[in-house]
Amino acid sequence: GESVGLHLPTLSVQEGDNSIINCAYSNSASDYFIWYKQESGKGPQFIIDIRSNMDKRQGQRVTVLLNKTVKHLSLQIAATQPGDSAVYFCAENIAPWEDMRFGAGTRLTVKP
Amino acid sequence: DAGVTQSPTHLIKTRGQHVTLRCSPISGHKSVSWYQQVLGQGPQFIFQYYEKEERGRGNFPDRFSARQFPNYSSELNVNALLLGDSALYLCASSSAWGAGQPQHFGDGTRLSIL
Repeated sequence: GESVGLHLPTLSVQEGDNSIINCAYSNSASDYFIWYKQESGKGPQFIIDIRSNMDKRQGQRVTVLLNKTVKHLSLQIAATQPGDSAVYFCAENIAPWEDMRFGAGTRLTVKP
Repeated sequence: DAGVTQSPTHLIKTRGQHVTLRCSPISGHKSVSWYQQVLGQGPQFIFQYYEKEERGRGNFPDRFSARQFPNYSSELNVNALLLGDSALYLCASSSAWGAGQPQHFGDGTRLSIL
């Protein structure tokens, strides 16, 4: 079935480096995407979202890029900090439905 | 402001029992969704409620049911519990109904079935 997936299950970076987490989606009808961060023992925390009429959106230290041609989504974290260590999920939404469809996640580990 | 709150935080049940999980959305949010997260996987959609009506249902058996109250809080009920129901159950709220609304999650209820 169509689903959101991730290229890399784990990512390890040095503190201060930039991180890039990738996500592939298979449904070309997806029109809204969210990146979530989930720390151990907690629920997913909203990081940033993007709609399909955009190809880039920036937040504080984070940037989401959307390439609809190849159905690819990425999350860039600048100057990665130990507190960024978590599992990151991309999720997609297909109008008119309201449910978010999640991939399996990428575990980001930041080395001091 | 308080975020999404869920209770209880942890629960242990045995096979065949029934469980009720509770969720209070962010103040002002009228839409509540429930998700199941099995260890090592992303959350899977179970239900969405808006204005006390079911607006969406995922691929879960009829043992799963939910409802939303006039104050927009919600309950998820699971009957005849199976070992495979062991998971983290997450509640998310959003301010309105419709696609493209950011959903904000609580920290979940960890349900263990013995």
